[in-house]
Amino acid sequence: GNSVTQMEGPVTLSEEAFLTINCTYTATGYPSLFWYVQYPGEGLQLLLKATKADDKGSNKGFEATYRKETTSFHLEKGSVQVSDSAVYFCALSDPWQGGKLIFGQGTELSVKP
Amino acid sequence: GAVVSQHPSWVICKSGTSVKIECRSLDFQATTMFWYRQFPKQSLMLMATSNEGSKATYEQGVEKDKFLINHASLTLSTLTVTSAHPEDSSFYICSASSGTSGYNEQFFGPGTRLTVL
Repeated sequence: GNSVTQMEGPVTLSEEAFLTINCTYTATGYPSLFWYVQYPGEGLQLLLKATKADDKGSNKGFEATYRKETTSFHLEKGSVQVSDSAVYFCALSDPWQGGKLIFGQGTELSVKP
Repeated sequence: GAVVSQHPSWVICKSGTSVKIECRSLDFQATTMFWYRQFPKQSLMLMATSNEGSKATYEQGVEKDKFLINHASLTLSTLTVTSAHPEDSSFYICSASSGTSGYNEQFFGPGTRLTVL
């Protein structure tokens, strides 16, 4: 079945450091891939997405590229801010399964001033 | 983006009672709504998918008689936890989508924290 694996947290960085959160997936078809962010006390928000191989999703300085050859969708940001502290979830959706999202376990990011 | 609300945001109840959680899409029609459960520091686990006017489809291992889902309109879905027990304490999150395919974005509610004493 389909699954998502992301690096364990927590990840602690200093402000302006480079961020990478690894995400790999297993899927039988051609899924869409997503990164969601959950700020403390809030619901999940879509951060970025990619729907086909080699697509790059980007938003708020974050980027992730859909790599079919390595089944990966790693999240990157060149310079993190304290306000980026949150839990980040990688997810996939198989378009032929009614839009069901399968989430990774989440990675907590803490950015220190 | 589209807004999804949940009510209540938190609830405490006694063991054996039932609790109803509402999920509303405020500015769009939600053809499909999803219910997730999230344990502390863990991922979201899909419990069920509901399409307006149809019976919900439950994921394997989720008791449909315990977690009653109703999606009677295009803007409202409810999850009722029947005869709640302490092990049902969790964070319940709904999401709503305007379509039924994987290309339709899901918009998430802020979640409801249930504590069963």
